[in-house]
Amino acid sequence: GQQLNQSPQSMFIQEGEDVSMNCTSSSIFNTWLWYKQDPGEGPVLLIALYKAGELTSNGRLTAQFGITRKDSFLNISASIPSDVGIYFCAGTPEQGAQKLVFGQGTRLTINP
Amino acid sequence: AAGVIQSPRHLIKEKRETATLKCYPIPRHDTVYWYQQGPGQDPQFLISFYEKMQSDKGSIPDRFSAQQFSDYHSELNMSSLELGDSALYFCASSLWTSVLNTGELFFGEGSRLTVL
Repeated sequence: GQQLNQSPQSMFIQEGEDVSMNCTSSSIFNTWLWYKQDPGEGPVLLIALYKAGELTSNGRLTAQFGITRKDSFLNISASIPSDVGIYFCAGTPEQGAQKLVFGQGTRLTINP
Repeated sequence: AAGVIQSPRHLIKEKRETATLKCYPIPRHDTVYWYQQGPGQDPQFLISFYEKMQSDKGSIPDRFSAQQFSDYHSELNMSSLELGDSALYFCASSLWTSVLNTGELFFGEGSRLTVL
């Protein structure tokens, strides 16, 4: 259905390493968004993708909207301690485009 | 810039009690969404409003109700509280046209409900 499968569920990396996470679905999505959530806070938008094949960067973050419209990835380069948190992919499904569906999240832990 | 304001930030209730959460959207935003996030879980969509009318309904229990008022603020009412209702409740706002085109929502900091 409209469920988003996000992987990996958690990552433990060294400071300075690159990070990659992805989201897939069996359904088509009109938009893909990547949010970051710090403990006890609400999700904050990092990158938004609106067209199939679109590749967008925001500083050290890069995300792509899959050509099939059923997947997206987020890369973080040269990780720093403040990158720690939970990263959620989210999307507006082709069916029911007025709501945002979330992936299960990727918890990123960085060892200094 | 003004953000989404939620109150209270923390709430402790006992089983079978009622609770009300409030959300004040970003000025000029006409759309409000409520999400529930259990411990270690992703946010789950509960209900949304556009121009004071319910626009979509997700996994909201029958014990919960919500509405959007004329000033666009929204309230989530929860009755007969159960232990499993303990969660972070997020409100998000946007412009309806933005949601349809971009899906972008602006989230509040959440209200943490603990049911004992």
